[in-house]
Amino acid sequence: DAGITQSPRHKVTETGTPVTLRCHQTENHRYMYWYRQDPGHGLRLIHYSYGVKDTDKGEVSDGYSVSRSKTEDFLLTLESATSSQTSVYFCAISESIAEAFFGQGTRLTVV
Amino acid sequence: SQQGEEDPQALSIQEGENATMNCSYKTSINNLQWYRQNSGRGLVHLILIRSNEREKHSGRLRVTLDTSKKSSSLLITASRAADTASYFCATDAVSGNQFYFGTGTSLTVIP
Repeated sequence: DAGITQSPRHKVTETGTPVTLRCHQTENHRYMYWYRQDPGHGLRLIHYSYGVKDTDKGEVSDGYSVSRSKTEDFLLTLESATSSQTSVYFCAISESIAEAFFGQGTRLTVV
Repeated sequence: SQQGEEDPQALSIQEGENATMNCSYKTSINNLQWYRQNSGRGLVHLILIRSNEREKHSGRLRVTLDTSKKSSSLLITASRAADTASYFCATDAVSGNQFYFGTGTSLTVIP
């Protein structure tokens, strides 16, 4: 999977708790992305990063924040998890706009 | 939303038949890509077509692009049971470095 590791792979959390998902890459790619995948919606971009400390919002960024303090790590934080954030979260990396490589996904359930 | 849409949402064919799926998108693009997702896995890049190209081939895959209609099609010839997966188109925003995915076509190839 192109040197991308997402952790954790599965998580169940309670409404109102903070949650952080981690994406780690060993490819030294410049761009990193967080998507969520929901039935009927496909993949929707949450946030992306174009370099260390350089991030921007995607289509569905409300309720999410990100940080990238090192090239290899991109963290997605849900400050106060809600049931609507139950989803499968994918991290992706790319060096150019030509091709993205995806992690295995994190299944998050908010109860 | 800049998200595209695939059509049909689901497709079931016999092994050996051809499978065609379509993608429509909303904004001007630099490139359009197709990805495959096996159940429970991340997405895998299949093929990229640039906005100045009309057709591209890769093995059993044929992709066409019509920028005037903002649409693309993916043809898989001589399908195999192993082609069973969901297929997504992805576009990049001319103004940025983001990938926007469609809602996907679920392909089932019956042995």
